[in-house]
Amino acid sequence: QLVLTQSPSASASLGASVKLTCILSSGPSSYAIAWHQQQPQKGPRYLMKVSSDGSHSKGDGIPDRFSGSSSGAERYLSISSLQSEDEADYYCQTWGTGIQVFGGGTKLTVL
Amino acid sequence: EVQLLESGGGLVQPGGSLRLSCAASAFTFSNYAMSWVRQAPGKGLEWVSTISGSGGSTYYADSVKGRFTISRDNSKNTLYLQMNSLRAEDTAVYYCAKDAGYYDSSTYYYMGIDSWGRGTLVTVSS
Repeated sequence: QLVLTQSPSASASLGASVKLTCILSSGPSSYAIAWHQQQPQKGPRYLMKVSSDGSHSKGDGIPDRFSGSSSGAERYLSISSLQSEDEADYYCQTWGTGIQVFGGGTKLTVL
Repeated sequence: EVQLLESGGGLVQPGGSLRLSCAASAFTFSNYAMSWVRQAPGKGLEWVSTISGSGGSTYYADSVKGRFTISRDNSKNTLYLQMNSLRAEDTAVYYCAKDAGYYDSSTYYYMGIDSWGRGTLVTVSS
């Protein structure tokens, strides 16, 4: 059974960088994941897919400030030059045949 | 640009039924699996159901199995979710989502969600 674990919260200052973590707690560590952003009172937005080798492919219009990487069973979302609009919930997601699995989400606060 | 537009949400009593629709555009609808994902107030994202591009395969979360039915009409580029025996815990915003997968010969490879709709609110309350 696929399980994704995320820290409930993170914070960083305006203009700084932050790295969010998603852990494949159960299932093969070779799984790719996707990152999704949900700004307050909005629907989710697809950011990127991150593969086990650390390569990532971003969705249309996603700024270069967003990047992804991997290490073992951990998948990362890095955001540089933080802006106020980056304050949001970030969800990682993986999948199997016909099923989708979400992490609990990380609430990012931009100070 | 992919567009997904949900409709059909509203207030329904416990035990009642509701049918959600999702109108898709700007991509070849029948080539992609589609999913419903929900979000209860103040909670995270929860997968509800997925249907293959042809409609021949369907998958459900345990929490809705036997009560919800996913379907699609590829001639109308529309995804549906029939919700029966609704409970208070089904109260949520329901999102339509497109899979990023592809066909290789006749096998579909799931690749996770790459597009979302804006959602429709379902409230189950007496």
